[in-house]
Amino acid sequence: EIVLTQSPDFQSVTPKEKVTITCRASQPIGSNLHWYQQKPDQSPKLLIKFATQSISGVPSRFSGSESGTDYTLTINGLEAEDAAMYYCHQSSTLPWTFGQGTKVEIK
Amino acid sequence: QLQLQESGPGLVKPSETLSLICSVSGDSITRSDYYWGWIRRPPGKGLEWIGTIYYSGSTYYNPSLRSRVTMSVDMSNNQFSLKLDSVTAADTAVYYCVRVFAMATIVTWGQGTLVSVSS
Repeated sequence: EIVLTQSPDFQSVTPKEKVTITCRASQPIGSNLHWYQQKPDQSPKLLIKFATQSISGVPSRFSGSESGTDYTLTINGLEAEDAAMYYCHQSSTLPWTFGQGTKVEIK
Repeated sequence: QLQLQESGPGLVKPSETLSLICSVSGDSITRSDYYWGWIRRPPGKGLEWIGTIYYSGSTYYNPSLRSRVTMSVDMSNNQFSLKLDSVTAADTAVYYCVRVFAMATIVTWGQGTLVSVSS
């Protein structure tokens, strides 16, 4: 099973700051890495697909990048509404797995 | 707009079977390239993929749960279901039904339903 390790587990950030969340895969997974946002009392929502591809309706401040088995979600200019849990997910190999999540809090 | 709605008991006794149904509205469960699945999140833990099914009946289960899981599609009612046998307290979780595009991206999530396993 492919293990996805996110860092950090928690981040407290001031509005307008830049946020970076990293997801490291235990094996090569190509670009088969996706990011989801889960706000309190809501279901997860797809933010970025295939490591770097944007999703219609998602603000442009969210972007993804990849380098080897390291994947990064960047929020350029954090807004108060971005307070949430963020998860990465790999669809390269069954069983699908998720990162443990990163909680982003607004200072 | 596609919507998914989970339904089923919120409390299941240990050793019994957990049964959930996901009702699909706003699109056909037989749409090509879309798969249907279940994901859960135990209290205080992360997301766990349970399994995925195509309308044709092809199934993909998490090996850690395969011996206890059965998923099926009901095309006439535009629904799909999950059965998990021999549950224990470790199966207590919020269960989400999801729609998946091309066995890759989870494009739609249900609101989730909490299932507790307790006597």
